[in-house]
Amino acid sequence: AQSVTQLDSQVPVFEEAPVELRCNYSSSVSVYLFWYVQYPNQGLQLLLKYLSGSTLVESINGFEAEFNKSQTSFHLRKPSVHISDTAEYFCAVRPRETSGSRLTFGEGTQLTVNP
Amino acid sequence: DTGVSQDPRHKITKRGQNVTFRCDPISEHNRLYWYRQTLGQGPEFLTYFQNEAQLEKSRLLSDRFSAERPKGSFSTLEIQRTEQGDSAMYLCASSFGGHFYEQYFGPGTRLTVT
Repeated sequence: AQSVTQLDSQVPVFEEAPVELRCNYSSSVSVYLFWYVQYPNQGLQLLLKYLSGSTLVESINGFEAEFNKSQTSFHLRKPSVHISDTAEYFCAVRPRETSGSRLTFGEGTQLTVNP
Repeated sequence: DTGVSQDPRHKITKRGQNVTFRCDPISEHNRLYWYRQTLGQGPEFLTYFQNEAQLEKSRLLSDRFSAERPKGSFSTLEIQRTEQGDSAMYLCASSFGGHFYEQYFGPGTRLTVT
């Protein structure tokens, strides 16, 4: 079984400040890792994913996340946030070897960017 | 392609009534997933289909819940004898294949049981 812990339920920051949203996971098998974003009244959208290769992955809107196997973490970072980044962010994992492909999500982190 | 659609977007029902939700996946996606999200929590897996076959069900899916995907396209999720604890957002997602393919989520159906 897998579990995901997002260490901060709410993160308020000022515009143009850097931000880090923390995610730790637990799994007895190898996993793929994901960050999803949910804007108000919208569905979940994939922000970025780690499948293999370089442990640093980037999104098109400036977010990046680094897979750290020894610390079982996949923290999300952005060097300078915008008001439009205000949303709820979910970290998720999926077993590599199971064809079922169910996602296990964390409880979410509400990022609020203030002017 | 307009993405994953769900209907209705909101449903208010009285305890004890039956409700049914519909999900239309992205065309040609052979995998379809249902998740439930309660307030302040992340989505929790309920069940998934590959084509018309229901391949996995979560322990969360009690015998009052049933899901179908009769022709391998749209899916329905029915809850019988609803309880207040069923109040949640029900999310549907679809993907083209297995491991390497992204799950695309619909906007969800928000159920309120009074």
